[in-house]
Amino acid sequence: SYELTQPLSVSVALGQTARISCGGNHIGSKNVHWYQQKPGQAPVLVIYSDTNRPSGIPERFSGSNSGNTATLTISRAQVGDEADYYCHLWDTSTAVFGGGTKLTVL
Amino acid sequence: QLQLQESGPGLVKPSETLSLSCTVSGGSISSRTYYWGWIRRPPGKGLEWIGSMYYSGFTYFNTSLKSRVTISVDTSKNQFSLRLSSVTAADTAVYYCARHGPPEYTSGGFDYWGQGTLITVSS
Repeated sequence: SYELTQPLSVSVALGQTARISCGGNHIGSKNVHWYQQKPGQAPVLVIYSDTNRPSGIPERFSGSNSGNTATLTISRAQVGDEADYYCHLWDTSTAVFGGGTKLTVL
Repeated sequence: QLQLQESGPGLVKPSETLSLSCTVSGGSISSRTYYWGWIRRPPGKGLEWIGSMYYSGFTYFNTSLKSRVTISVDTSKNQFSLRLSSVTAADTAVYYCARHGPPEYTSGGFDYWGQGTLITVSS
């Protein structure tokens, strides 16, 4: 079965750029989606199909996907960006989630 | 604005069957564009997809749960449901229902989610 690998945690200084990776075999050939989940809340889709932002998501959130790694980039990180982040894709009609990355803004 | 709302018992005894419903408002569950799924998050762990369905009744499941899962639709109530049999403590989690586009397409992300409901398996 397909597996997605994310770092357990990422730290970023306030106002700097955070990058969260999602590794998978030939992930660059698949559509990757990213979610932000804050404590006690439902996940929110922040990037769909590698690079696209849903309506209402700040331009500070961007995505890329190539080779064996997809990346979520958060520019000008804010305290409000602290959350768990998950990558997700579909593989043979099976939804696969990465293990999640806890983002801390210092 | 599309809204999804889970409803369920909160507490289920080991070996029994967990039953949850998701009521969709602000849109039709019979849309030919979208699919409807269940995802859970156990305490201290990450998201786990349980399964999804299309309004026609077509379903597909996480292979690790497939033998215990049933997902059904009631278009007259604009609602879909999850049944998970033979539950154990490992099934304790917050359960979410969500909408997504066709799998493996660009629109395949889960774009609308319910608020989630905590299900505890305990005697």
